[in-house]
This record gives sequence, structure tokens and C-alpha cells, in this order.
Amino acid sequence: AQTVTQSQPEMSVQEAETVTLSCTYDTSESDYYLFWYKQPPSRQMILVIRQEAYKQQNATENRFSVNFQKAAKSFSLKISDSQLGDAAMYFCAYRSPGATNKLIFGTGTLLAVQP
Amino acid sequence: DAGITQSPRHKVTETGTPVTLRCHQTENHRYMYWYRQDPGHGLRLIHYSYGVKDTDKGEVSDGYSVSRSKTEDFLLTLESATSSQTSVYFCAISDHGKVNTEAFFGQGTRLTVV
Repeated sequence: AQTVTQSQPEMSVQEAETVTLSCTYDTSESDYYLFWYKQPPSRQMILVIRQEAYKQQNATENRFSVNFQKAAKSFSLKISDSQLGDAAMYFCAYRSPGATNKLIFGTGTLLAVQP
Repeated sequence: DAGITQSPRHKVTETGTPVTLRCHQTENHRYMYWYRQDPGHGLRLIHYSYGVKDTDKGEVSDGYSVSRSKTEDFLLTLESATSSQTSVYFCAISDHGKVNTEAFFGQGTRLTVV
């Protein structure tokens, strides 16, 4: 069975600085999808960025980028120019390419942004 | 924003009582899911549905049942609530047949069993 591990329960970053959140996963599949979701205090789950395993190029969305290392089964999220609104819980998630679209989540990293 | 509505948003219930949470979507997505979120565990899949009257168990399905009689509604029932079922419950939807489709989540329901 696939598993997702986030080893940093909490992180802190200064406003305008860069922070990297770690995620590793375990799978025997060669094709899959990886996601980072953000959960602010409002509780809403917001998709931040996604990566297809068959793509070698790392995904980027504005200030958010990933470092996808397929061989190492690592999928870290880098947040550049951190803003106060980035403070949230961040979840890494894995999805198999099968039709059911089920997501497997990590335990989350709580990010604090210091002014 | 995807049209997903969970009801109720908050509920306090007593141990041993039945509880039903409702998820309603206006997106006509085929797949619907119920997750629970607990500190230290992230989100874990309870049950999911891949069509009307088609459901299957997730990793933490014990003590829960689901029903989907219409495309737009997915109900989660706790037959006899226990304190271990105190949690935040999320409904999610996703489309079928699209590569790399993302899941859209409802606002969550905070359930407290006393």
C-alpha cells in the first residue's frame, strides 16, 4: 500500500523568506500524481500545486514550486517570498492513476509565518 | 469554487446516537468521498462512491456507512456514535475520465461525540 510521510509537524519562516516543506512517499507504481494542499484556519482545503510522475520538469505556480525526485520518492514544496497569508497546514497527497481518484494524505506540516 | 455543500457544519451528539452527515454537489462529478481529519493523522478515507448506489470502503470504514441514491448527494451515517468518532469530516468530489483531475473539498463538518 502507498504511504505518504511528512516528517516536519511544524515549521516557521520569516515574512519574505523562503521555506521548504518535505514529503516522501512509498509506492511500487511508476505512474501517479502528487499534490500539495493548503488548509488555512478556515478549514478549507485548497490545491496549491500538482505534479505528474511522468513529467521530469518540476511544477511551479507563482511563488510555489516543487522539487520532485522520483528515484528518491521525494516531493518537497518550496514557498518563496513568504507572506502572512501562507500561514496554514500543508498536506502532501498521492494519487494512483486508477479511476477511483482516491487521495492518500500525509499527516501535515503546520507553517507559521513571522512578521 | 466547486459547488460542494456539507451539512451540518457543526454538530454535538451523544454517545450511542445515530448521526447522518450530508454532502451535496452541483458539479455532476462521478466520484464522491468522505474523509476524516484528526491531529497526527492527516485526512483518512472512510468511504467513497463511484456512481449512484456504487460505494466502497476506505481505510477507516468501521462504524460508518454511506449511501448515494442520487448523483448529487452522498450521505455518511454513524450508526451508533462513539467518542472516537469525534473528528472533522470532509466530503470531496472529483471528475471521471480526466487525467490529473484534482479533488474539490467541502468546508468540513466538526462532529463532537460526548
